[in-house]
Amino acid sequence: EADIYQTPRYLVIGTGKKITLECSQTMGHDKMYWYQQDPGMELHLIHYSYGVNSTEKGDLSSESTVSRIRTEHFPLTLESARPSHTSQYLCASSDNLRRGVVTEAFFGQGTRLTVV
Amino acid sequence: AQSVTQLGSHVSVSEGALVLLRCNYSSSVPPYLFWYVQYPNQGLQLLLKYTSAATLVKGINGFEAEFKKSETSFHLTKPSAHMSDAAEYFCAVMDSSYKLIFGSGTRLLVRP
Repeated sequence: EADIYQTPRYLVIGTGKKITLECSQTMGHDKMYWYQQDPGMELHLIHYSYGVNSTEKGDLSSESTVSRIRTEHFPLTLESARPSHTSQYLCASSDNLRRGVVTEAFFGQGTRLTVV
Repeated sequence: AQSVTQLGSHVSVSEGALVLLRCNYSSSVPPYLFWYVQYPNQGLQLLLKYTSAATLVKGINGFEAEFKKSETSFHLTKPSAHMSDAAEYFCAVMDSSYKLIFGSGTRLLVRP
């Protein structure tokens, strides 16, 4: 069972509010990712990190920001939520290449965000 | 850039029938390929992965996938569908930066 946790699971918030989605993993993985999943299922990478103090934007442009101050923690922040931010956000982690063997990414349960 | 294409956004089978979910990849180098399953209101769970050790990969819940380089395919199969297999299935490829790039997903429906 993967040890990666996302909170909250569900969030309904008003337009203009600042929110932070939490993601923590206890596996010591150096790489962490945020995906946005549209109602039609497709997953889009919005942020990733290769380690502490490393963050990169993903393939899908997002108004959110991330930080990686500690290995285990990779929060995502929206400074001013809008209805267009309504979506499911999935966090994942991996260490990818361990002793020459590619390993998979482990996913959290997701946060379903609704902005009204 | 590496990518995967999943043919069929919805696949419907009868319980007990063969499950076949299609995935084709584009990669200029030997890829690392994965199949994930997502149940409602859940995150993604790994079904199986191909990392060049063997072309036929067995996963959890009776699923398996065969890597065919000549066809650039990594289709997912299960001999006999069960009602509990109804879920979303995602094929993914790992790019050279170790990012997972997902296909658009296939929803599997299992009819009683």
